[in-house]
Amino acid sequence: QKEVEQDPGPLSVPEGAIVSLNCTYSNSAFQYFMWYRQYSRKGPELLMYTYSSGNKEDGRFTAQVDKSSKYISLFIRDSQPSDSATYLCAMKGAGTASKLTFGTGTRLQVTL
Amino acid sequence: DAGVIQSPRHEVTEMGQEVTLRCKPISGHDYLFWYRQTMMRGLELLIYFNNNVPIDDSGMPEDRFSAKMPNASFSTLKIQPSEPRDSAVYFCASSSGGWSNQPQHFGDGTRLSIL
Repeated sequence: QKEVEQDPGPLSVPEGAIVSLNCTYSNSAFQYFMWYRQYSRKGPELLMYTYSSGNKEDGRFTAQVDKSSKYISLFIRDSQPSDSATYLCAMKGAGTASKLTFGTGTRLQVTL
Repeated sequence: DAGVIQSPRHEVTEMGQEVTLRCKPISGHDYLFWYRQTMMRGLELLIYFNNNVPIDDSGMPEDRFSAKMPNASFSTLKIQPSEPRDSAVYFCASSSGGWSNQPQHFGDGTRLSIL
């Protein structure tokens, strides 16, 4: 079993829809949770960053962490065609020796 | 402000050949990471450096893989001899400061195909 599980999609939604992307994980030592967006033929770019449990909002994006369920989510409101990309969750434990562990990514397509 | 620069963007070579991937991190960043991305396994950390010193190479798959960072502005990842299963996209990333609250900035990757 992988440490981080992510549905690969693809997920296709119409413009304006609310998108929910999710990851589950097994390592209870994870403390830092990130979402990266990766456009085709590009490197991942950091989208959202949260520490421990709770919500964080940035514009149309909301990240949620539920450590008790080992479950994290990214919500995109009013989705746009420019949101079409692969979204990778990533997480790490505390301490400098802990590495970032990535999910395999969910491909999102927002259609007109 | 220049980001992480990787070269070449694409590499196609025959099995058994030596492959060298190059990375220029963002100026001032003291951490450098090499990742490999495949459909099946996603993004995997191969090795990372801090202040040009290799800290953890436990992700390097085999002795055929080696990485160096001779100075703060340049790093290489070598595969010798290359095999078809090494085909993947290889990313370099850099960050400033420690892991916890500093984002890693990724280059656009090298798409490697071993025939």
